[in-house]
Amino acid sequence: GENVEQHPSTLSVQEGDSAVIKCTYSDSASNYFPWYKQELGKRPQLIIDIRSNVGEKKDQRIAVTLNKTAKHFSLHITETQPEDSAVYFCAASKRAGGFKTIFGAGTRLFVKA
Amino acid sequence: DGGITQSPKYLFRKEGQNVTLSCEQNLNHDAMYWYRQDPGQGLRLIYYSQIVNDFQKGDIAEGYSVSREKKESFPLTVTSAQKNPTAFYLCASSIIQGRAETQYFGPGTRLLVL
Repeated sequence: GENVEQHPSTLSVQEGDSAVIKCTYSDSASNYFPWYKQELGKRPQLIIDIRSNVGEKKDQRIAVTLNKTAKHFSLHITETQPEDSAVYFCAASKRAGGFKTIFGAGTRLFVKA
Repeated sequence: DGGITQSPKYLFRKEGQNVTLSCEQNLNHDAMYWYRQDPGQGLRLIYYSQIVNDFQKGDIAEGYSVSREKKESFPLTVTSAQKNPTAFYLCASSIIQGRAETQYFGPGTRLLVL
């Protein structure tokens, strides 16, 4: 069935280093890929998204890349800071009657000061 | 996100009791969703509604029920049939922009069993 695989499940980096989280999707009809950040006990919040007609998108220290042929997309965080520590979820969405969004299992990012 | 509210923040359920979690949005979004999140886990879809008076089961609907009588409201009832209800429950609503839908989440309700 349709699924989104996310790796790694846990990532620990030193403050100032870069962090990369990768997701692979199975449904080639997916056309929209949002990323959410969830701090402990809080709601997931949209931090960046990319559509299927774009290969890369940047917003300050975060960027997302999309490879439609390989069906994978990645989140890149540069110059990490302790406040970047959180769980990050990727998702893949498509139009299917209404819309269908499938979430990855999440990556817990620790940024060590 | 501020336009989606959930209440209560914490809820305690006794054995055999049904409890209802509230979700309200003032964003004029058509679609609304309920997810369950267990500690250290991802999001699992319970129910969703794309339009008033219509809703569909998600991946883990057993032991839950919903209603969608108003566009702004999508309450979730955790019934006594749900044997392991302790979890963090997240409601979301979505906006459609072009050919894509973006979901926005409420602050969540943490349900605990006494």
